[in-house]
Amino acid sequence: SYEVTQPPSVSVSPGQTASITCSGDKLGDKYACWYQQKPGQSPVLVIYQDTKRPSGIPERFSGSSSGNTATLTISGTQAMDEADYYCQAWDSSTGYVFGTGTKVTVL
Amino acid sequence: EVQLVESGGGVVRPGGSLRLSCAASGFIFGDFAMSWVRQAPGKGLEWVSGISWNGDSIGYADSVKGRFTISRDNAKKSLYLQMNSLRVEDTALYHCARLLSSSWFENWFDPWGQGTLVTVSS
Repeated sequence: SYEVTQPPSVSVSPGQTASITCSGDKLGDKYACWYQQKPGQSPVLVIYQDTKRPSGIPERFSGSSSGNTATLTISGTQAMDEADYYCQAWDSSTGYVFGTGTKVTVL
Repeated sequence: EVQLVESGGGVVRPGGSLRLSCAASGFIFGDFAMSWVRQAPGKGLEWVSGISWNGDSIGYADSVKGRFTISRDNAKKSLYLQMNSLRVEDTALYHCARLLSSSWFENWFDPWGQGTLVTVSS
């Protein structure tokens, strides 16, 4: 079955840039999207189709994808961005696949 | 405002059954595919099942195939998940989520409901 992997945690200082990677076999040939989940809340879509940002999502959130890796970048990270972030892809054999999640800590 | 409200969760013995419901409002329910995604306590997200706008196309994760059945009633703006032969490992918060087109595959989830908790325990 298809799998995607993420680092368990990323630490960033306020105002700096956080980058979260999502790796999977030929992930660049598929669309990746990203969800933010704060404690006790439901996931929120922050990036879809690799690079697109839903309305209402701040411009500091951006996405990219190439080769086997998709990346979520948070520029000018704020304390409110502290959350778990999950990547998601679609595989025709497995279905929807989520990464294991990355905890972003703003120090 | 788009809203998804789940109900029907509870405590059930292994081998038992539950039926989850998701009531939708704030959008034309019949225009969108829908899905169930679960999250075990303290764990990550796991896709469970998806259904096309008219119910003609359905998909399941291997972990629930043959035990769970997804359905929808567009007139009632509601999504359902019938869960049979429940196992301890099915314990999770079950979220209803809208997919961003009429097909259940190759899509993304937005928004998500708050979820309903299913606990399978003896």
